[in-house]
Amino acid sequence: EPEVTQTPSHQVTQMGQEVILRCVPISNHLYFYWYRQILGQKVEFLVSFYNNEISEKSEIFDDQFSVERPDGSNFTLKIRSTKLEDSAMYFCASSPRQGSETQYFGPGTRLLVL
Amino acid sequence: AQTVTQSQPEMSVQEAETVTLSCTYDTSESDYYLFWYKQPPSRQMILVIRQEAYKQQNATENRFSVNFQKAAKSFSLKISDSQLGDAAMYFCAYREITGGGNKLTFGTGTQLKVEL
Repeated sequence: EPEVTQTPSHQVTQMGQEVILRCVPISNHLYFYWYRQILGQKVEFLVSFYNNEISEKSEIFDDQFSVERPDGSNFTLKIRSTKLEDSAMYFCASSPRQGSETQYFGPGTRLLVL
Repeated sequence: AQTVTQSQPEMSVQEAETVTLSCTYDTSESDYYLFWYKQPPSRQMILVIRQEAYKQQNATENRFSVNFQKAAKSFSLKISDSQLGDAAMYFCAYREITGGGNKLTFGTGTQLKVEL
């Protein structure tokens, strides 16, 4: 069964460094998402992406964040200058189309900012 | 803004017994989707069950079923014949149908423990 994959599974970085989190959505899906979950808290929406542009973003998704689909398969989340509070689990998700289809989540990337 | 509330931070159930996890939500929309996701210790988010608001019939998936009360804005998850593998954090989530937004709004989760 097709699944969303994410790399790396764990990332440790120093405050102020740039990180890029990578996702490979399910191949025939058209909508892509990033969510994050700070340890012990609920999952929060960051951004949705369709047709090579952001379709919606939350207040969390400020200028330090950007997303890109550099080729036909990868979907990336970049954090330009990481802060301690960016430490969280980051989930990528994809869905075939807007409407009734479910969002399928990847296994997540655990980011730790020191 | 839509909100999702899970008032039970933790629940316990004996193996083979039945447990119900509660979820309420607030929305002014008439059409939307509701989901239950399971998050085991690996922290992967796994879809358990989905309900479309326009359907009156409650969704079922094997041992998992929901009690969807649209007027009360309630969406509880029933797990029958609980198994050790059901132990996980369970998140209720809401999603609009109309408009450009596809985002999921999650509740705070219920940690389910399954005891022998």
